[in-house]
Amino acid sequence: AQRVTQPEKLLSVFKGAPVELKCNYSYSGSPELFWYVQYSRQRLQLLLRHISRESIKGFTADLNKGETSFHLKKPFAQEEDSAMYYCALSKTGGYQKVTFGTGTKLQVIP
Amino acid sequence: NAGVTQTPKFQVLKTGQSMTLQCAQDMNHNSMYWYRQDPGMGLRLIYYSASEGTTDKGEVPNGYNVSRLNKREFSLRLESAAPSQTSVYFCASNDPTGANVLTFGAGSRLTVL
Repeated sequence: AQRVTQPEKLLSVFKGAPVELKCNYSYSGSPELFWYVQYSRQRLQLLLRHISRESIKGFTADLNKGETSFHLKKPFAQEEDSAMYYCALSKTGGYQKVTFGTGTKLQVIP
Repeated sequence: NAGVTQTPKFQVLKTGQSMTLQCAQDMNHNSMYWYRQDPGMGLRLIYYSASEGTTDKGEVPNGYNVSRLNKREFSLRLESAAPSQTSVYFCASNDPTGANVLTFGAGSRLTVL
């Protein structure tokens, strides 16, 4: 079974401070990992994928297979980063079910 | 290009009533999904359809049925609504390249009294 754990329901940081949203997963194969974001009154949307190895809006995430983690990081938080963030996992190979974590609400304090 | 369209956006039901949530996508995606979003529970997969003609149960399928009417449409039916089904429901579809990147609808807020 595949499982995603996000231990923090709420993370509050000051503007300009570093951000780390934690994600741990359980899966006995090679997973694909994702971060999705839901801004207020907007649709849930992809933020980044581990395969792409890119930085989006200053966020990065590294897949650590040894620790089964995929934490989301940003060196300097901005007010517009305030949103709900979901970590997600699927099998590799396409057309798979995608399992989400419980989400972390990021609140950036001005 | 509307992406993923869900109807209705809001619905109030009484316990025991039935209803169908409709979802359509115009992106020629093969896979479609229904999730429910509850506070503290995140997004939980109800059913998904990897391709036209197939459907599979997700984590929380009890009390729901689905129909993959064609490649574009994937509906979710509540046969006898219960208060525990009060939630926000999201439909999503998957990029045909098989990247497992989901495109979401705007959501349908359902309240069961």
